[in-house]
Amino acid sequence: AQSVAQPEDQVNVAEGNPLTVKCTYSVSGNPYLFWYVQYPNRGLQFLLKYITGDNLVKGSYGFEAEFNKSQTSFHLKKPSALVSDSALYFCAVRGPLGGYQKVTFGIGTKLQVIP
Amino acid sequence: SAVISQKPSRDICQRGTSLTIQCQVDSQVTMMFWYRQQPGQSLTLIATANQGSEATYESGFVIDKFPISRPNLTFSTLTVSNMSPEDSSIYLCSVEPDGHEKLFFGSGTQLSVL
Repeated sequence: AQSVAQPEDQVNVAEGNPLTVKCTYSVSGNPYLFWYVQYPNRGLQFLLKYITGDNLVKGSYGFEAEFNKSQTSFHLKKPSALVSDSALYFCAVRGPLGGYQKVTFGIGTKLQVIP
Repeated sequence: SAVISQKPSRDICQRGTSLTIQCQVDSQVTMMFWYRQQPGQSLTLIATANQGSEATYESGFVIDKFPISRPNLTFSTLTVSNMSPEDSSIYLCSVEPDGHEKLFFGSGTQLSVL
């Protein structure tokens, strides 16, 4: 069975500082990994994904994530946080097996950027 | 991309009643997904809805409680039946258009059961 762990319920960072939201995963084979963001009173939006290739993937709004196979991690990062980045962030994983594989989400990490 | 219209956006319901949530997509998609998002918990997949066949339910979810319709490739409904306060949650519709390898979500339905 596949799973995702987001060890921090909440991350607080000052505006302008770099931010990291942590994610580790467990899945058989090579994973498909995703980050989604949920702004207040809105549905989830796709940020970025890793399927294959370069371990550092870039996504929307200046976010990036680094795939680390040995540590089974896929941490979300941004060099300089904005107050508007405050939201709920979900890491997700899907296995690469044949046919459609369902997506498993983490519990979510609330990011609070302090002005 | 895919634009999803989901309604109602929120509702307050009485115990024992049912609520039907509608999801309309602006393009044809093979599979549509229904998720539940409870406070402090991850998104949980309820079922996958394919056009022309019965929905596939995940462990812990049954058709009698969460009947789903998928009459065509752009529309689906989820009914929450015989509601109890434990059904209070956000319900999300989602699709993955062919070739996109990512999910698109509706804005969600905030359900409160009294």
